[in-house]
Amino acid sequence: QKEVEQDPGPLSVPEGAIVSLNCTYSNSAFQYFMWYRQYSRKGPELLMYTYSSGNKEDGRFTAQVDKSSKYISLFIRDSQPSDSATYLCAMRYYKLSFGAGTTVTVRA
Amino acid sequence: GAGVSQSPRYKVAKRGQDVALRCDPISGHVSLFWYQQALGQGPEFLTYFQNEAQLDKSGLPSDRFFAERPEGSVSTLKIQRTQQEDSAVYLCASSLTGGTKNIQYFGAGTRLSVL
Repeated sequence: QKEVEQDPGPLSVPEGAIVSLNCTYSNSAFQYFMWYRQYSRKGPELLMYTYSSGNKEDGRFTAQVDKSSKYISLFIRDSQPSDSATYLCAMRYYKLSFGAGTTVTVRA
Repeated sequence: GAGVSQSPRYKVAKRGQDVALRCDPISGHVSLFWYQQALGQGPEFLTYFQNEAQLDKSGLPSDRFFAERPEGSVSTLKIQRTQQEDSAVYLCASSLTGGTKNIQYFGAGTRLSVL
């Protein structure tokens, strides 16, 4: 079993919909939780970064962490075609452990 | 520089050839990481440097993989006697320090295809 599990999708939504992504993990040593966005043939780009359990909001993006359930989520409100990408959850103590990534397509 | 730079962007090798992949981290970044990303998968950790010291190489898949960072800046990942299963994107990331809070910034990667 992998340390970080993420449904690879793919996920296709109409423009303006809410996109909901999630990951589960097994290693209690993880302290920091991140969401990266990766466009085709590009490196991962950091979207959200959280430490404690709870919610963190940044514009249209909300990240949630539930350490007791070992579960993290990312919500994208008012999704746009430019949000079409692969979203990777990642967790770290010093090195990153990634989920498999969920490919999201937002249809205009 | 403005970001992490990797070269070459694409590399095609015949099975059995040796390859060298280069990473130029963000200037002043102490920590440097290499990851391997297979098609349709998330990146997998390979190795970690703090300055010139290789502190963790637990992710290197075999002794054919070797990484160095001799002057604490540019790093090279070398793969000897390449095999088809080595085909992947190799990503380099750097961060300001090795502390757990520090954000890793990624390069665009080198896409290696072994024929």
